[in-house]
Amino acid sequence: QVQLVQSGAEVKRPGTSVRVSCKVSGGTFTSYAISWVRQAPGQGLEWMGEIIPMFGSEHYAQKFQDRVKIIADESTRTVSMELSRLTSDDTAVYYCVRDGEASRSGVISSRWFDPWGQGTLVTVTS
Amino acid sequence: VLTQSPDTLSLSPGDRASLSCRASQSVSSNFLGWYQQKPGQAPRLLIYGASNRATGIPDRFSGSGSGTDFTLTINRLEPEDFAVYYCQQYGGSPAFGQGTRLEIK
Repeated sequence: QVQLVQSGAEVKRPGTSVRVSCKVSGGTFTSYAISWVRQAPGQGLEWMGEIIPMFGSEHYAQKFQDRVKIIADESTRTVSMELSRLTSDDTAVYYCVRDGEASRSGVISSRWFDPWGQGTLVTVTS
Repeated sequence: VLTQSPDTLSLSPGDRASLSCRASQSVSSNFLGWYQQKPGQAPRLLIYGASNRATGIPDRFSGSGSGTDFTLTINRLEPEDFAVYYCQQYGGSPAFGQGTRLEIK
């Protein structure tokens, strides 16, 4: 049973960066595709990007491409998302979620989003 | 782009709910999922591959459709079903619909 547990809430100043972590338990860590999704207060879900450790590949939404970085640490089974140049518009709950399983043949299966981490509230305020 | 309708649906327990999701382009391989989100909680996967129920999801939830038009149907609404529902195109660059709020009438 795969479980994703995220780091705690953050309060940041505009212009700074935030790093949110997601610890993955169960299964083969490197085979998982892990995405980050955010939700601003009262708003919908917005995909930010994903990483697939087995392939060493990252893929970002165009909107965030120049200021988001997702990294994976196999030794700690942790995926981290760093968002830079924060503004008040980045105030949101950030979720990590598994969005697939990769095989060495290059196929990525089960591309639906499940399971989800519990979410991390990031507040950007001066 | 995924467009859900209606934005809000007001029904009573025991009613049937029908939620629509329309894509601006055909969704390949029916890579379409539905999620339920309750206040203060992470989204939960209900349906994947347009019509397959996720593990543990009651059979009153069903998904249908292909191409650009998809529907989530909830039969015999239970009090715990009143929530926000999102459709999602996954694979490639994933995208979510704006959500439909299902509220108690």
